[in-house]
Amino acid sequence: EVQLVESGGGLVQPGGSLRLSCATSGFTFSSYRMNWVRQAPGKGLEWIAYINSGSSPIYYADSVKGRFSVSRDDVKKTLYLQMTSLRDEDTAIYFCAREYTGSYFFDHWGQGTLVTVSS
Amino acid sequence: QSVLTQPPSVSGAPGQRVTISCNGSNSNLGAGYDVNWYQQFPGTAPKLLIYRNNNWRPGVPDRFSGSKSGTSASLAITGLQPEDEADYYCQSFDSSLSGKVFGGGTKLTVL
Repeated sequence: EVQLVESGGGLVQPGGSLRLSCATSGFTFSSYRMNWVRQAPGKGLEWIAYINSGSSPIYYADSVKGRFSVSRDDVKKTLYLQMTSLRDEDTAIYFCAREYTGSYFFDHWGQGTLVTVSS
Repeated sequence: QSVLTQPPSVSGAPGQRVTISCNGSNSNLGAGYDVNWYQQFPGTAPKLLIYRNNNWRPGVPDRFSGSKSGTSASLAITGLQPEDEADYYCQSFDSSLSGKVFGGGTKLTVL
């Protein structure tokens, strides 16, 4: 069974940093492209980062470019999102999502982890 | 402002048919990129419903169907049931943004 489990969320002050993790199991992690998608409270879904199998290429949404960094550890089967210079508007539930091979859609999602940016 | 445009809400009585529209542009749907649909219940993660315009994810009832034409797409739900009440999102790829894009989401209410 495919499983994605996010962790690392919490309360952080504006300007602070946080690293999210997405531990996976049930599939060959190294073969899949992975993404981060977030959802602000009461709002819609926003794609924010993509990392290819082999860690290249990597793409970001303009809203996080230069502040967030996505990476992966294929040995640990874990996806990461390093978030710096956090702003109030980064408050959201962050989901990791597996991308179906050869396509642009997400076939499996984690349960999400809440990041709250507030002083 | 989402790249893909959906109505904020739709509603229907049990047994009725409803459609949810998703309007894009020439850099996403109009460029030939597929549309995908997700269903999300409150407090849970989104789940893939329809992929590549009109393909059901295994286990999804055939009451749900998708279509795409030009820069527009739609999700149709026939024989509406109370358990269909959820938020629905369309999603595609945008070549000018080099990334995935979502619609703003549509809240379906079963009256």
